[in-house]
Amino acid sequence: QKEVEQDPGPLSVPEGAIVSLNCTYSNSAFQYFMWYRQYSRKGPELLMYTYSSGNKEDGRFTAQVDKSSKYISLFIRDSQPSDSATYLCAMKTGTASKLTFGTGTRLQVTL
Amino acid sequence: DAGVTQSPTHLIKTRGQQVTLRCSPKSGHDTVSWYQQALGQGPQFIFQYYEEEERQRGNFPDRFSGHQFPNYSSELNVNALLLGDSALYLCASSPHGVEQFFGPGTRLTVL
Repeated sequence: QKEVEQDPGPLSVPEGAIVSLNCTYSNSAFQYFMWYRQYSRKGPELLMYTYSSGNKEDGRFTAQVDKSSKYISLFIRDSQPSDSATYLCAMKTGTASKLTFGTGTRLQVTL
Repeated sequence: DAGVTQSPTHLIKTRGQQVTLRCSPKSGHDTVSWYQQALGQGPQFIFQYYEEEERQRGNFPDRFSGHQFPNYSSELNVNALLLGDSALYLCASSPHGVEQFFGPGTRLTVL
C-alpha cells in the first residue's frame, strides 16, 4: 500500500464548476500538507501549504486537512480552462526532509 | 527574482553512460532536494543537501550521488545509466523550511 493515495483521473469539468481533489494517507506522522499544480512537461508549482488540521483559503483555492480521517482536499471555485493541469498532493513529517507525493490527478476544464 | 533553474533542459544518453545534472536554487534558499518523476507518477525523493552535506536520502541506489557547492547550487550525478533511469529530474529549493519550490526539471532519456 502506498503512503499517499490519489485518484489519477482524468477529471473533466465544465468551466465555472467547483472542483474537489482529494488524497488519503496512511502515515499518521505527516504534519505538513501541500498541493502542487503541474502543467505538462513543467515543474510542479506550489499552490497551498497547510500545517496540521484545518482549512486554508487563497483566492479561488481552499485546502482542507482532516487528520482524524487521514484525508486532505483541495477545492477550486469558478474553475477556468487555465486550471487544466495535474494536481499533486504532497506531505511530510515534522522531522523528515522529503516530501511524499501522490500520483497526481489530471484535471481538464472544458469551455 | 529568478526562481529555481536547472540545466540542461533535455538530455539523451545511452545505457552505461554517466550524467551530471545541475541546479541553482532560488535566491535566499540554502537547501536543495532532488526528485525523480517517472511518466504518470508523482515525484520520488532522491536526496536533500544542506550546508554541503547530504541530510536525507531516499530509496535510490548508490549510482545516484550529489554535491552541494558553497553558493548552494547543486549537482546530481547518475552512473551506469539504465533504461529505467529515463525520467524528469526535478530540483527543489527551500529556505531551510517546509515549503519546497521546484525548477522546470531536466528530462533524461536513456536509450
